[in-house]
Amino acid sequence: DVKVTQSSRYLVKRTGEKVFLECVQDMDHENMFWYRQDPGLGLRLIYFSYDVKMKEKGDIPEGYSVSREKKERFSLILESASTNQTSMYLCASRLNRGGRGNYGYTFGSGTRLTVV
Amino acid sequence: EDQVTQSPEALRLQEGESSSLNCSYTVSGLRGLFWYRQDPGKGPEFLFTLYSAGEEKEKERLKATLTKKESFLHITAPKPEDSATYLCAVHYFGNEKLTFGTGTRLTIIP
Repeated sequence: DVKVTQSSRYLVKRTGEKVFLECVQDMDHENMFWYRQDPGLGLRLIYFSYDVKMKEKGDIPEGYSVSREKKERFSLILESASTNQTSMYLCASRLNRGGRGNYGYTFGSGTRLTVV
Repeated sequence: EDQVTQSPEALRLQEGESSSLNCSYTVSGLRGLFWYRQDPGKGPEFLFTLYSAGEEKEKERLKATLTKKESFLHITAPKPEDSATYLCAVHYFGNEKLTFGTGTRLTIIP
């Protein structure tokens, strides 16, 4: 089974800090995604990456950046954390080789970030 | 804008009481529709993918169906361990992301 591992389950950071959220997948998936999940708003896409060193903005990229130096690792960076970035952050990956049944998303277990 | 709407927002059932969850979506350009289960504090866990109207998938007490404008997740004789939030997501052609609904929070009372 594909495994998507997020480095922290819970994080507490101070306003203005630079925050790194790490995600690693172990099945050679090309595509990786960062979502945030908030009550009543569902999952919203922050950034995604088609392949190494490639990135695309999602629906809510403001205040975030990403890095993908290796295929298996996709990092989300909060340049200067703010209280409105308190949320559950979810990383996902998927295969991108076409064909039915080959493009389901696999999610990590999430990082609950609190900015104080 | 592509939209995915789930109803109801929350559903409480007695153990053994069957019911259905609904997911409606913008019709054109559907590539696939996904159902996920999410337990509190955890990431979504994949359940089913449906690709075309008329398709059905089953897993234990869950059955997912797809029509041209909506999908249903039927739960038959549920047990307390089926309590979770169920998320629907749609993948449209020409768009790499999934569009998610806000989920249905299902509670099964023993």
